[in-house]
Amino acid sequence: DAKTTQPPSMDCAEGRAANLPCNHSTISGNEYVYWYRQIHSQGPQYIIHGLKNNETNEMASLIITEDRKSSTLILPHATLRDTAVYYCIVRGGGADGLTFGKGTHLIIQP
Amino acid sequence: NAGVTQTPKFRILKIGQSMTLQCTQDMNHNYMYWYRQDPGMGLKLIYYSVGAGITDKGEVPNGYNVSRSTTEDFPLRLELAAPSQTSVYFCAGGGRNTGELFFGEGSRLTVL
Repeated sequence: DAKTTQPPSMDCAEGRAANLPCNHSTISGNEYVYWYRQIHSQGPQYIIHGLKNNETNEMASLIITEDRKSSTLILPHATLRDTAVYYCIVRGGGADGLTFGKGTHLIIQP
Repeated sequence: NAGVTQTPKFRILKIGQSMTLQCTQDMNHNYMYWYRQDPGMGLKLIYYSVGAGITDKGEVPNGYNVSRSTTEDFPLRLELAAPSQTSVYFCAGGGRNTGELFFGEGSRLTVL
């Protein structure tokens, strides 16, 4: 699975959009981009995933660049409960799970 | 559905003791995983299973064993506990060929 690079931490004001970047320049054609978050040592929670088109669900939007070398997770109206570590993961097929890096610690400021 | 349930939530072991972390799921997941997470770090895969009777090693399997006798249960066994096994352990389940995993709440283990 391709390696990802994320900033270690970010701040965002409550009510604003939080934009979390991820670089995955070695991604291959059959690999998906997944986003998870982990709130205060709870188990990670799946947010969203995509291959090459932009995706949106009730939690977030995922924007993948045309060359697929980077992506951005957007939380449209951040709340204090969105404070968490956010993991960007690139994964192809196979059964051997997900590879987690250190992620981005997003802190929502009141 | 309870999802993925782990027990115990907390445990303190002495060096050399053994124990089993239990994981059970009621979502009919084929795939199940055990991860460990050390402070300030990401999760590392210990073992995984693609179905009953089938298990395979992940990135950090040394000092652990698993079994998968049923679809629902995937216990993790620690033999001869060492301080390096102090960590938070997460069990997860997922469907075939998907990266959408459902995690348990974790089991915090301290080895003294």
